Amino acid sequence: DVKVTQSSRYLVKRTGEKVFLECVQDMDHENMFWYRQDPGLGLRLIYFSYDVKMKEKGDIPEGYSVSREKKERFSLILESASTNQTSMYLCASSAAGPGNTIYFGEGSWLTVV
Amino acid sequence: GIQVEQSPPDLILQEGANSTLRCNFSDSVNNLQWFHQNPWGQLINLFYIPSGTKQNGRLSATTVATERYSLLYISSSQTTDSGVYFCAVLYGNKLVFGAGTILRVKS
Repeated sequence: DVKVTQSSRYLVKRTGEKVFLECVQDMDHENMFWYRQDPGLGLRLIYFSYDVKMKEKGDIPEGYSVSREKKERFSLILESASTNQTSMYLCASSAAGPGNTIYFGEGSWLTVV
Repeated sequence: GIQVEQSPPDLILQEGANSTLRCNFSDSVNNLQWFHQNPWGQLINLFYIPSGTKQNGRLSATTVATERYSLLYISSSQTTDSGVYFCAVLYGNKLVFGAGTILRVKS
């Protein structure tokens, strides 16, 4: 079965903390994505990666960085968490090419206090 | 950038009713997908439908790429259909999502 696993479902962090969100996929997919989801705004792309050590900015990269050292793992980093980064974060992966299904993890609910 | 608009934003149905969800997009796209997000947050791909019509059980989808819209039909709705429905379009190499339609099916 297809699996995208996000390491933490619920986190509460303090303002200014460094936060790591981890995502692992077991499908040997080339593409991996990080989105954030906020009410009324849908899903907005933060960063994506189409290969190991490759990354591209999405629509809202400010305040975030990513790391992809291995093909199966894509990490999202909040260097200094702020309250406006309280959100649901979704990781996804897909095979290369435009017609391939994208698979999502279950999401990580982050609250920054 | 591209605009993806979904309507209606909210929909309440009685179990057994039919519904149509709409997705409009402002530019030519490489593909279009429909997703369902269940109440626990899990997003599942329903259809990959750049053009034409597809059916899967009680769900079907139609995309008219030349007129820049797609429709998702839900027939004989069930309470398990509740959740948020998103359309997403591939614009360049980015998948851009609409804001979603929140569907609640009452028994």
